[in-house]
Order: sequence, then structure tokens, then C-alpha cells
Amino acid sequence: EIVLTQSPGTLSLSPGERGTLSCRASQSVGASYLAWYQQRPGQAPRLLIYGASSRATGIPDRFSGSGSGTEFTLSISRLEPEDFAVYYCHQYGSTPLTFGPGTKVEIK
Amino acid sequence: EMQLVESGGGLVQPGGSLRLSCAASGFTINNKYMSWVRQAPGKGLEWVSVIYSGGGTYYADSVKGRFTISRDISKSTLYLQMNSLSAGDTAVYYCGSGVVESASHYYIYYAMDVWGQGTSVTVSS
Repeated sequence: EIVLTQSPGTLSLSPGERGTLSCRASQSVGASYLAWYQQRPGQAPRLLIYGASSRATGIPDRFSGSGSGTEFTLSISRLEPEDFAVYYCHQYGSTPLTFGPGTKVEIK
Repeated sequence: EMQLVESGGGLVQPGGSLRLSCAASGFTINNKYMSWVRQAPGKGLEWVSVIYSGGGTYYADSVKGRFTISRDISKSTLYLQMNSLSAGDTAVYYCGSGVVESASHYYIYYAMDVWGQGTSVTVSS
């Protein structure tokens, strides 16, 4: 099983600042099948990034993903008020599929 | 518009059973992989089960032997039969779908991009 670890657990930032979220896998994620999801309270997860670095349809370009193997990063260039949420990384390359524990991005 | 709508959640006693449904509209599910993901109150996302386009099924260890995932392609509906429920199964259950593309000798999988709104399951006496 690929275990995903996310850091930090909570990120306190102000609107307009840049956010950098990390996801580390216990073993290499095949074919970079690593995704990032955003979840706001009371809502379903929303796909932001797939294949480690490809933006999903309709996702603003302030969101970018990078990395390969076991180290992945989600960057938010300039935080907008609607970006304060919980972010999960997810590997879908091997079963069992797994999610990271999440990073909460909160307003400082 | 592609949409997934879950139903079937509710309150069930420990040891009981429940069947969740996830109806797809705006697309067919035969060339997708479909998954159930749950979220306990105040907790993170937990993958539960997946059914691939070829019919293969897999489960998280926490539900193996108790839950069964299935689909009816003609009805564009995904199911999750849940038996021997316990308090630890209390969660909002989401279904999600991801695209599968066939290449010459392999498949290309895309992350789940369509999700339902979730259905709540509470296991309590």
C-alpha cells in the first residue's frame, strides 16, 4: 500500500500570499498517477491537478502541481478568499487507492 | 452536464445492512472506473472500493468481506452493498468516476473528476 504523508497539517496564510503544499509517498507513484483535490466545508472533493502536474478543466492557473516518484508539490501562487479549504493528495496508480491526510489552508 | 447522484444512505443499527446507489447522468460508465470514497465526521477522505472498466474490483482492508461494489451499465448506476455495519462505518459516502483510455497495449487512467454530493450513513443503535 502506498502511504501518502502531507505537510504541513495546517498552513496559515493571508490572501495574496503564495502557498506550497507537500505530499510524500512511501513508494514511487507509478506513471505519476498523483492528483490533488480541494474540499470546502460541506462540499464534495474537487479535482485540481491530475498526473502530478496537469490542471483539471476550469482550474485557475494560480494552481500548479509538480513532482514525480515520491515527492509532489501543489503550489497556489496568490491565494484568493475561495482557496481557503482543505487539500488532499491522492494516488490512483495502484490498489489500494489512497489519500493523504490533508492540509488545511486557513486565513492568517 | 456530467453528474453523479448518490442515494440510499440513512440510519442503520450495528450489524445491519445498507445499499448505496450512485446514478450517472450525462455520460456512460462503461469506459470509466468508479469508486466509493467516505469521510467520517471531521476526518479526511478514505478510499473504500473501486470497480474498473473491465469489471475488476478492489476494496480497502477495512471493508473487505463486508462491502461489495457492483454496477449496472444499462442503468448507468454504481452500487455499494454494505453488510455487518459498525459505528466505524459512519461517514458521508461519495462516489467518483475517472476516465480510462485504451492505448495499444495498456490503459491510461485519469484521476476521478466527477463526484457526487455524498450520502450520509449513520450506524447507531
